Amino acid sequence: DIQMTQSPSTLSASVGDRVTITCRASQSINVALAWYQQKPGKAPKVLIYKASRLESGVPSRFSGSGSGTEFTLTISSLQPDDSATYYCQQYQHYWAFGQGTKVEIK
Amino acid sequence: QVQLQESGPGLLKPSGTLSLTCDVSANYISNDNWWTWVRQRPGKGLEWIGEISHNWGASYDPSLRNRVTMSLDKSNNEFSLKLISVTAADTAVYYCAGRPGDAPRWGQGILVTVSS
Repeated sequence: DIQMTQSPSTLSASVGDRVTITCRASQSINVALAWYQQKPGKAPKVLIYKASRLESGVPSRFSGSGSGTEFTLTISSLQPDDSATYYCQQYQHYWAFGQGTKVEIK
Repeated sequence: QVQLQESGPGLLKPSGTLSLTCDVSANYISNDNWWTWVRQRPGKGLEWIGEISHNWGASYDPSLRNRVTMSLDKSNNEFSLKLISVTAADTAVYYCAGRPGDAPRWGQGILVTVSS
């Protein structure tokens, strides 16, 4: 089975900072990767799919890149509303999720 | 855009059977699409339970394989999850999801609590 390793597990940054979260797959998944934002008590919200495609309605400060086994989610200018937990997910072979990254605002 | 909605009992007793249904908006449950169940235990991450397709059958996470069954009712645009012999460790929010197009789509989730 494909394992997803996400880092860091938590990060604290200031409003306006550029933030990067990394996700690594245990084998190549091409671009079959999505990024989610989850706030307490809510379902995960798709931000990015196919590694780099921005979901409709998601602010353009979110972007995704990568292919094969290495992927990144970047928030170009962190906003207060971005405080949440972020997950990567592969859907190349079944589904598997990273452990999550909790983003806090300083 | 496809919409998904979970339904089922929110409270179960230990050793009981969890049964959930996911209604999928019309015409999306086609022969080739895969439909998925994911759960999230309190304070924890997302766990894939398994998936089902009309054409290809079902696949389950190895840790749950001996307790889980999924089914699909194409005529009613729904798919279901059954988990037997539940314990408190099965308390979680259960999500149905799928990827009929390029992007994954999720239901809003349903909290299932296992307690005596």
